[in-house]
Amino acid sequence: DADVTQTPRNRITKTGKRIMLECSQTKGHDRMYWYRQDPGLGLQLIYYSFDVKDINKGEISDGYSVSRQAQAKFSLSLESAIPNQTALYFCATSDELGHYTFGSGTRLTVV
Amino acid sequence: AQSVTQLDSQVPVFEEAPVELRCNYSSSVSVYLFWYVQYPNQGLQLLLKYLSGSTLVESINGFEAEFNKSQTSFHLRKPSVHISDTAEYFCAVRKGGGNKLTFGTGTQLKVEL
Repeated sequence: DADVTQTPRNRITKTGKRIMLECSQTKGHDRMYWYRQDPGLGLQLIYYSFDVKDINKGEISDGYSVSRQAQAKFSLSLESAIPNQTALYFCATSDELGHYTFGSGTRLTVV
Repeated sequence: AQSVTQLDSQVPVFEEAPVELRCNYSSSVSVYLFWYVQYPNQGLQLLLKYLSGSTLVESINGFEAEFNKSQTSFHLRKPSVHISDTAEYFCAVRKGGGNKLTFGTGTQLKVEL
């Protein structure tokens, strides 16, 4: 099994729909992150969490929310999806020394 | 806040030729530097990192990068590329003592026969 698992791998949804992207990790790390990747823009941080009770906004949090259900689980929600949220989304976890492990990504298309 | 600039969005190169992917950073504090590689339809994998010590760091597949503090650069090099090196490469920086990575916009390396 992968260290960081993201579901679904691909999703097409309609404008205005609510959608949740899920992430789970088996590394036992406290720190988890959600990034968004757009062509030519690299990865931008959406939200991050340093432990179960800690949630922080990243660079581009508008239109997104997160939930840290457990140490191993960190989900990203789009309450009302819009087309410019079409992107590749990555979840990651890191240890205290900043060693990151990334998931394989979720490709989201909003039509 | 720190930032990362990757000057080239795409770098085409023939197989067995040398390649350099450029990365410059800006930060008012000490930083740690990283190169990640993303193969098609996959997530990011750590290629190499500079935390401290020798300014020249190497990966297991022949890439190397040199931390140059005076030029605030961390360019990635390989003396002879292979078709399998075709991927997108991201430079990233983390503030010393911090935990968040800041990424550059990526460089698409395309190796041609």
